[in-house]
Amino acid sequence: EADIYQTPRYLVIGTGKKITLECSQTMGHDKMYWYQQDPGMELHLIHYSYGVNSTEKGDLSSESTVSRIRTEHFPLTLESARPSHTSQYLCASSELGVDTEAFFGQGTRLTVV
Amino acid sequence: KNQVEQSPQSLIILEGKNCTLQCNYTVSPFSNLRWYKQDTGRGPVSLTIMTFSENTKSNGRYTATLDADTKQSSLHITASQLSDSASYICVVSDRGSTLGRLYFGRGTQLTVWP
Repeated sequence: EADIYQTPRYLVIGTGKKITLECSQTMGHDKMYWYQQDPGMELHLIHYSYGVNSTEKGDLSSESTVSRIRTEHFPLTLESARPSHTSQYLCASSELGVDTEAFFGQGTRLTVV
Repeated sequence: KNQVEQSPQSLIILEGKNCTLQCNYTVSPFSNLRWYKQDTGRGPVSLTIMTFSENTKSNGRYTATLDADTKQSSLHITASQLSDSASYICVVSDRGSTLGRLYFGRGTQLTVWP
C-alpha cells in the first residue's frame, strides 16, 4: 500500500464554492502530480511539481491552482467550482528520475451541482 | 504524436479462465512501460514495469510482454479470479525530458464472472 493520501474521498459541492483537495505523501518523493480522470477515459495531467516551490501546468487546461510549500503536501484549489469540474482527481508522487514508479492516491470524486 | 492505445475496451470472462490484454504505443523516445490495475473508485497500482531490453516479466498470475520493435505490449492473466475485476491501464514513459512524462491508455475494463 502506497503512503499517499487524498482527502476528501468524495465531495459534493454547489456551484461557485471554493474547494481545496488535499494530497499528502510520506515517502519523501520530490515529484508530485495531479491527474483528472473521467469514466472510461485516460488520465490527464493537470499539474505537476519537481519539489518545494516548483509547480507547472500539465497538458489539460484547468482552472485549478496548486502549491508546494512542503515536500509532502500538494493541495489543489478550485476558486469557483462549476459543474464542468465534476470528475475524479488523482494525486501521485514519485522519486526523481525517468524510470521511477508513480504511486497514486485513492482519488477524490468531485461532484459540482 | 505520443499515444497509447489499448484493446479491447472491455472484456468479460468466467472465473478460472485466462485472458490477454493488448497495448500499442507510439511514444518516443521510449523509456519504460508499466501495467497498472485500477479497482473501481481507487487509484491505479503498478503490476509490472518493462524497459527496452526486457521481453517478458511476471508478477504472480500476471505476465507482461514487450516488443519494442513493433511497439506492442500484452498483459496475460492466468486462472482469473473475481478480484481481478478492474480496469487495466497501460502507461508508457518517455525519455524526452527529466520529468519522464507518462502517457496513459484508456484502460481495459475486465469483469470476471463466477
